[in-house]
Parts: sequence; structure tokens; C-alpha cells
Amino acid sequence: DAKTTQPNSMESNEEEPVHLPCNHSTISGTDYIHWYRQLPSQGPEYVIHGLTSNVNNRMASLAIAEDRKSSTLILHRATLRDAAVYYCILCMIKAAGNKLTFGGGTRVLVKP
Amino acid sequence: EPEVTQTPSHQVTQMGQEVILRCVPISNHLYFYWYRQILGQKVEFLVSFYNNEISEKSEIFDDQFSVERPDGSNFTLKIRSTKLEDSAMYFCASSRSGGVNQPQHFGDGTRLSIL
Repeated sequence: DAKTTQPNSMESNEEEPVHLPCNHSTISGTDYIHWYRQLPSQGPEYVIHGLTSNVNNRMASLAIAEDRKSSTLILHRATLRDAAVYYCILCMIKAAGNKLTFGGGTRVLVKP
Repeated sequence: EPEVTQTPSHQVTQMGQEVILRCVPISNHLYFYWYRQILGQKVEFLVSFYNNEISEKSEIFDDQFSVERPDGSNFTLKIRSTKLEDSAMYFCASSRSGGVNQPQHFGDGTRLSIL
């Protein structure tokens, strides 16, 4: 499986944007880039996904590099509730089902 | 918004006993998953299930583990003879299909403590 690399942790101030990088230099042409987050004492939560184009939803934006070897999750205005571990995960086409392979993720701390 | 629900939230069991963890996936979802997270470690895939069959399983999912969809709403994980190292958070997830562009929706987990 293609691997992703993320910083261990990042800090942000409340109400400021947070840019979370992810490197995936061995990504294949059909791999989707997914982001999940895990708030304290909760299960992982889907955030956003994309293939080639940048994507926006109510939670975040995903900026994908032109060569697809990296991507950035953008939280536009961090709130205290956004403090979580954020995981960048590549999803490969398979015949049936699609397991998620979680790495260590980036722990985001939001300061008031 | 529909949710995946898991029961119980915390299960304490003696080593060697059988345990069944229960999940109610989102109603129109077709793919179901179990993951686990040992305290302080990564979330690990255990098994995926579709059309009443296991579609993929990890090395962790050995003969002590089994999954079942006993009726139209529940999805269960059974550990036949628990070991101390089975202590972990167990998360159930479901997705509408198995496609690579389908998000998985997770429950809040069952904390399994083996004594």
C-alpha cells in the first residue's frame, strides 16, 4: 500500500486557519486521498476526500498538488472542537470493500 | 444525521471468556467493518464484510475472531477466548458501498478490558 507522511503535531490559535500537510510520493493514479479525524474518546470521523481536483465541504478544504505527491487539509477557522488527530489515508481500488490503513496522523492543538 | 451505534460502551471480561461486541450500522449501508485501537497506538483494520461474507481480513483477525450479521440491523464481532492483548477500543464502521470514494462512518467504540 502507498504510504503517507504527516507531521506528528501542529498548534494553532482559535479562529485562525490550519494547514495540515501530507506527503504521498508513491501514490498511484487511481488512489483517492481521504482525511479522517479522531476527537478525544471518539471514533474516527470522515472529513473529506479527493482524487485530483481541490475539494471543499462544510468541514474543510482539500488542496491536492498537481503531481498528486502531496496534499493539504485546510481548516479555515480553527475552533477548540477541531482539536483532534487528523489522518491522511490513501484508498486504493479493490474488488470488494476498502479497508482504511491509519498511520500516526497529526495531532492538532488549538489554543484559545 | 444517521449514526453507527455500538454497545456496550465498556465491556470488562475475564481472560478466556467469550465476548460479543454489537454494532448497528447505518440502515442503507452495505459494507461493514471492524477496527481496533490499542491504547496509545494506531487504529488497525480487522475485517470487512459484505453480502454476508468476509471480503477482507487482517492478520490480527485469526480463528478466535468471527463476525456475523444475525438480522437486518446488527453486525457483531465475537472473540471466542479472550486474551489480555485483546484489550483495546473496538470500532465498527459502515459505508454505502465499497468504492474508493465512499466515506466510512464510525461508531464511538466499545472499550474492551480483559482482566
